Amino acid sequence: EDQVTQSPEALRLQEGESSSLNCSYTVSGLRGLFWYRQDPGKGPEFLFTLYSAGEEKEKERLKATLTKKESFLHITAPKPEDSATYLCALYNQGGKLIFGQGTELSVKP
Amino acid sequence: DSGVTQTPKHLITATGQRVTLRCSPRSGDLSVYWYQQSLDQGLQFLIQYYNGEERAKGNILERFSAQQFPDLHSELNLSSLELGDSALYFCASSPQGTGGHEQYFGPGTRLTVT
Repeated sequence: EDQVTQSPEALRLQEGESSSLNCSYTVSGLRGLFWYRQDPGKGPEFLFTLYSAGEEKEKERLKATLTKKESFLHITAPKPEDSATYLCALYNQGGKLIFGQGTELSVKP
Repeated sequence: DSGVTQTPKHLITATGQRVTLRCSPRSGDLSVYWYQQSLDQGLQFLIQYYNGEERAKGNILERFSAQQFPDLHSELNLSSLELGDSALYFCASSPQGTGGHEQYFGPGTRLTVT
């Protein structure tokens, strides 16, 4: 069964303290790995799509990487406005987007 | 603002009732996706429509149904509601027929079943 597991469930950082979020996955045929950001009570906001192992994408303080078994979302020198829940999702051969439970990130000034 | 609109924002109803949630995709997007988000289950894919036709199906209950109309807006119908159906329901849209591209999510409809 295709599955996505994110860790940690929650992460508290001080402003400027860099860290990484992990997304481990098992899938019979990966057609895309997505990262979304979700603020409380709002819909997820698209961040990145990665399609093959070794691929990397960057946006401001965020950098997403992909291997054959996991993806990382690296946050460099985070700011309080980066506080949100970060969701990882895989798109499988069945045409379905399967989301992980998310990592709730809190950045304190 | 993603460009995807959903109505209503909040809905409170009783068990056994039927409700309809509405979604208008971004201009030009042909695909509409429906998701359910609850605290214990996370974000779960329900169903996808592309240009009026069902394209992919997830863990959608038989009590739930959806359709996409010629103007591309979509409706999700939930019937014989149970307490466990209380959740946030999101609609997303994308230009393509496959979900392997970024999807743009609406603000959601919060359903409370009492």
